[in-house]
Amino acid sequence: EPEVTQTPSHQVTQMGQEVILRCVPISNHLYFYWYRQILGQKVEFLVSFYNNEISEKSEIFDDQFSVERPDGSNFTLKIRSTKLEDSAMYFCASSERVYQPQHFGDGTRLSIL
Amino acid sequence: GQQLNQSPQSMFIQEGEDVSMNCTSSSIFNTWLWYKQDPGEGPVLLIALYKAGELTSNGRLTAQFGITRKDSFLNISASIPSDVGIYFCAGPTSGNTPLVFGKGTRLSVIA
Repeated sequence: EPEVTQTPSHQVTQMGQEVILRCVPISNHLYFYWYRQILGQKVEFLVSFYNNEISEKSEIFDDQFSVERPDGSNFTLKIRSTKLEDSAMYFCASSERVYQPQHFGDGTRLSIL
Repeated sequence: GQQLNQSPQSMFIQEGEDVSMNCTSSSIFNTWLWYKQDPGEGPVLLIALYKAGELTSNGRLTAQFGITRKDSFLNISASIPSDVGIYFCAGPTSGNTPLVFGKGTRLSVIA
């Protein structure tokens, strides 16, 4: 069964450094999403992306965050200057159409030191 | 914003027992999704519900979309050790695509 893949599985970064998290959505899916989950808490929406532009974003997704689809397969989340509170699991998801269920990757655990 | 309240927060059951958990909201949802998350992994979609009153099964799992569109339940019959994990309900906010998640029900199965 097709799946969303994310790399790396774990990223350790010094506070203030830039980090890029990578995702390969399911190939025929058109809608892409990033979510994060702070340890022990619920999954929270960050941003949705369709047709090479951001569709919606949450309050969490401030100017330090950006997303990009640099080629036909990858979807990236960049955090420009990481803060301690950015430590979390970051999940990429994709869906075939806007109201179709979203399928999640296994996440990248981001640890900020 | 819209919130989903899940209960119970956690449960310990004996292998072979049936399990029931639910999810409620103060506002209407047009879609209810149930996901399971294993430690260190991403949420895996179990069941999607699209119509009020809909009852859908996936193996030993059964979920229902409440008539009021403000609640849903998930039942697991004859639980097995691999059912251990956190079960999340989720739904799209205000008809848009971003999902809002509940805080989850942590299920532990005692063999």
